[in-house]
Amino acid sequence: EVVLTQSPDTLSVSPGESPTLSCRASQSVSTSLAWYQQKPGQRPRPLIYGASTRATGVPARFRGSGSGTEFTLTISSLQSEDFAVYYCQQYYSWPLTLGGGTRVEIK
Amino acid sequence: EVQLLESGGSSVQPGGSLSLSCAASGFIFNVFAMSWVRQAPGKGPEWVASIRGNAGRTFYADSVQGRFTISRDNSRSTVSLHMSALRPDDAAVYYCVRHWDIPIFEYWGQGTLVTVSS
Repeated sequence: EVVLTQSPDTLSVSPGESPTLSCRASQSVSTSLAWYQQKPGQRPRPLIYGASTRATGVPARFRGSGSGTEFTLTISSLQSEDFAVYYCQQYYSWPLTLGGGTRVEIK
Repeated sequence: EVQLLESGGSSVQPGGSLSLSCAASGFIFNVFAMSWVRQAPGKGPEWVASIRGNAGRTFYADSVQGRFTISRDNSRSTVSLHMSALRPDDAAVYYCVRHWDIPIFEYWGQGTLVTVSS
């Protein structure tokens, strides 16, 4: 099973700043990695797949990068609606696994 | 518009059984794979099970293998999850999720709550 470790657990960020979230895989998943955003009381929403391809309707300020075991999600110039929890997921191999999440909160 | 409507969530005692259902609409159902993903209160999502569009192949998380069964009825555009030998750590919101054969969770339902408690 591929274990995904996200860091940090929580990021305290001011609007306008550009945080970088990390996702590390216990073994290579190539670029078979997706990112999701979840706001309180809502279902998760896909942001990125293929490590760097934005899903339909996702603003360009969300940028994913990485391959193998190291991945990052950067949010350029954080907007108020971006405060949420972000999860990574690998779909390189079964069982599918997700990281524990990074909470982006208002500083 | 893609719609996924889960039902069947309720409170059940440990060791009990429960079946969840998801009614899909707005797309050609048998083209897509479907999954169940659960989320315990205050925790991150956890993948549970998947079934390919032609219902030919299923996949399960180790934590539910042998206890849960995913199935689908393409004639009715529904996917089900039969859960048995339920444990307290099975308690969660269960989401029905649509995706292609590559399991990127594209569309999520609103979820149905399962509580396991004596």
